[in-house]
Amino acid sequence: DTAVSQTPKYLVTQMGNDKSIKCEQNLGHDTMYWYKQDSKKFLKIMFSYNNKELIINETVPNRFSPKSPDKAHLNLHINSLELGDSAVYFCASSQETSGGAGTQYFGPGTRLLVL
Amino acid sequence: AQSVTQLDSQVPVFEEAPVELRCNYSSSVSVYLFWYVQYPNQGLQLLLKYLSGSTLVKGINGFEAEFNKSQTSFHLRKPSVHISDTAEYFCAVSNTGGFKTIFGAGTRLFVKA
Repeated sequence: DTAVSQTPKYLVTQMGNDKSIKCEQNLGHDTMYWYKQDSKKFLKIMFSYNNKELIINETVPNRFSPKSPDKAHLNLHINSLELGDSAVYFCASSQETSGGAGTQYFGPGTRLLVL
Repeated sequence: AQSVTQLDSQVPVFEEAPVELRCNYSSSVSVYLFWYVQYPNQGLQLLLKYLSGSTLVKGINGFEAEFNKSQTSFHLRKPSVHISDTAEYFCAVSNTGGFKTIFGAGTRLFVKA
């Protein structure tokens, strides 16, 4: 039973295409995140949802649109893909009873390559 | 705003030797501190975290870290490393009451036989 799962694991696509990444957690957590990890392993938060409400939206191009249909799911849709979007995208979840103290559980990552 | 600095991008060490991975943070408010490990082609997993109380925190796989408020540091140590400890290690900070975690740039620990 995978705690945080992401699909697809690999995504190879052409510039200009639109793609989606799905994330599901079965831990009963109330907070979910999307991170982008670049080729130098730098990890940057993109979005955070708490109880389906968007609470963190970093300076991410509006081509990126997250959607949380329920507390267990957080999807990421990317329009008009660019070469610079190539990266590994991680979904994570945590239980934030005391904001900020929760352990984050990460998915296995989605490796996106834009050609 | 918070920030995290991991002072070493790479740390090579021989098997069974001790290791210390350094982390400094800055914040104007109270923080929680974390160390995560990332094995090749995997997501991150928690090694340990400091929330409050004792400044020496013990984690999984024999790792420990010490919170030093005056030096704003949270260095990670292990007395004897194994080949299997080869991985990327991330220090992270979040502000109390917030939902945003800032990660350091990572330190690649490479354990040699």
